[in-house]
Amino acid sequence: DQQVKQNSPSLSVQEGRISILNCDYTNSMFDYFLWYKKYPAEGPTFLISISSIKDKNEDGRFTVFLNKSAKHLSLHIVPSQPGDSAVYFCAASGRGSQGNLIFGKGTKLSVKP
Amino acid sequence: KAGVTQTPRYLIKTRGQQVTLSCSPISGHRSVSWYQQTPGQGLQFLFEYFSETQRNKGNFPGRFSGRQFSNSRSEMNVSTLELGDSALYLCASSLEPASGYNEQFFGPGTRLTVL
Repeated sequence: DQQVKQNSPSLSVQEGRISILNCDYTNSMFDYFLWYKKYPAEGPTFLISISSIKDKNEDGRFTVFLNKSAKHLSLHIVPSQPGDSAVYFCAASGRGSQGNLIFGKGTKLSVKP
Repeated sequence: KAGVTQTPRYLIKTRGQQVTLSCSPISGHRSVSWYQQTPGQGLQFLFEYFSETQRNKGNFPGRFSGRQFSNSRSEMNVSTLELGDSALYLCASSLEPASGYNEQFFGPGTRLTVL
């Protein structure tokens, strides 16, 4: 059973607009959530994270929102740029994973000029 | 500072063979985790080694094994290869044992194709 779900395999957004990537999780023992970005032929790179004690974390154009009651988090990218086109993975960790990262299947974001 | 390196980058094997993949972590990092990425399953955790000891293991059959050397370099081995083992194998290193709080740095991966 998948503990971290990204239900949208792909998302297409116009340059300058907002990109919203969603992620749901099932294990209430997770206490830390991360987003990774992956370009083809490269490994994933860390983008932004949030602890379960917070509901929002912002870093430049990237903001992650956490709704613990709904077991849902989202990544907002504003404004979106063509260079943001990549696969985005949501990941979670905590006592439910013995510290290791549990990843979703990823969402491929395409930002069109 | 050099990043995580993985060798080889590409590998083609046939069913029944075995394969060994190598990962060199960032200098000073003592934890190495391995992940399998497939289109249908995303990234799945294989195992983690910290200070030459396997710390955690994911839900993979015993055909998948690994080890870590005293210099923190790690190898993973897959025996009796199956078609379904075709995937991108990623390793990630961190200073301390893997957790969400300790940033993991990923290598570029080894693309394994089993024919």
